[in-house]
Amino acid sequence: GQNIDQPTEMTATEGAIVQINCTYQTSGFNGLFWYQQHAGEAPTFLSYNVLDGLEEKGRFSSFLSRSKGYSYLLLKELQMKDSASYLCAVRDRGSYIPTFGRGTSLIVHP
Amino acid sequence: GAGVSQSPSNKVTEKGKDVELRCDPISGHTALYWYRQSLGQGLEFLIYFQGNSAPDKSGLPSDRFSAERTGGSVSTLTIQRTQQEDSAVYLCASSLLAGGQETQYFGPGTRLLVL
Repeated sequence: GQNIDQPTEMTATEGAIVQINCTYQTSGFNGLFWYQQHAGEAPTFLSYNVLDGLEEKGRFSSFLSRSKGYSYLLLKELQMKDSASYLCAVRDRGSYIPTFGRGTSLIVHP
Repeated sequence: GAGVSQSPSNKVTEKGKDVELRCDPISGHTALYWYRQSLGQGLEFLIYFQGNSAPDKSGLPSDRFSAERTGGSVSTLTIQRTQQEDSAVYLCASSLLAGGQETQYFGPGTRLLVL
């Protein structure tokens, strides 16, 4: 199984950059996912990392270090609509089932 | 095309009653997952279906919970003799393995309230 840790809440200013960290402990590793979930809505897929390094997609980037059991989601040019919960999920080797962290609630203020 | 759909969107029931929650996955997706999410909590895995293989039921919290998937498509999650602690949002997701990146697409969820 996994032990996934994320900050509970973060606040940031519109237009700024924010980094949301996720640390995990797992007996094996088969990929890490980031999802965005607005209040009252279903999670939507943001990124998938299985190799070390940075994956960039527009304003969102995700980084993985397997040796450190560490990932972060980087959000640039923050917009008010980015206020949401960001879920980190890790999949064990040999498993198709991601285990989700509790999520980080991001509040973007003007 | 259409995404994952779930019904009902909301369900209020009395303690002790049985409920059935339905999930229609994206057409062609072979994998289907059920999760539940309590207020302020992460997603808790319940059960996983992959093609015609036996489902992974390791996340079901008790024998009051069961699920089936007919014809490799629609899935029904049944909760018998509901308890107040079963109140949560039940989310269904489907996925199609593509080059190792198994992106899950979630439905809107069923909000279950047990009185």
